[in-house]
Amino acid sequence: GENVEQHPSTLSVQEGDSAVIKCTYSDSASNYFPWYKQELGKRPQLIIDIRSNVGEKKDQRIAVTLNKTAKHFSLHITETQPEDSAVYFCAARLTGGTSYGKLTFGQGTILTVHP
Amino acid sequence: NAGVTQTPKFQVLKTGQSMTLQCAQDMNHEYMSWYRQDPGMGLRLIHYSVGAGITDQGEVPNGYNVSRSTTEDFPLRLLSAAPSQTSVYFCASSYRRGGTSYEQYFGPGTRLTVT
Repeated sequence: GENVEQHPSTLSVQEGDSAVIKCTYSDSASNYFPWYKQELGKRPQLIIDIRSNVGEKKDQRIAVTLNKTAKHFSLHITETQPEDSAVYFCAARLTGGTSYGKLTFGQGTILTVHP
Repeated sequence: NAGVTQTPKFQVLKTGQSMTLQCAQDMNHEYMSWYRQDPGMGLRLIHYSVGAGITDQGEVPNGYNVSRSTTEDFPLRLLSAAPSQTSVYFCASSYRRGGTSYEQYFGPGTRLTVT
């Protein structure tokens, strides 16, 4: 099966700085890579995703990059704000067969943005 | 749309008791999943379903059963509760959003304590 490793486990930045979270995956057949944000006591919510035929995707202050050869992908948050403080999870999805809809998650990164 | 709903929100069980966590979605999504979330371990897949009548095991299926008789409902049954099953349980549903993108929606979670 798929294995996803996420680093760092905690990240502390000053407001306005950039934050980068990195994930690696094990199965080269994975083709979809979403990122989820989970605020304290709430459910995870999708913030951005990327497919394996795309190298980079941006949405305002958030961007995701994918390196298929190295099997890693990263979340970049620019101009961080205190409301970006949350736990962020990366995930990967295998192609085909009974793996449809099955995501494997990383362990999570606790991001703290200090005002 | 109510989205993904879960009941109950909180539950305390004694070791050896059984119970069913309910999950329902009204978005006509074909894929549904159950995850457990433990500190420092991210979201781990328990069971998932690619449609009514079709289920499969995830990473941590032992001690749990599922069934999917309708598109809308995906209950998770704990057969004989153990303290190791103390966790927050999330149900999620997803659909194929064009190509290989799968947007996954989470329910609000059930916090289960087994004493």
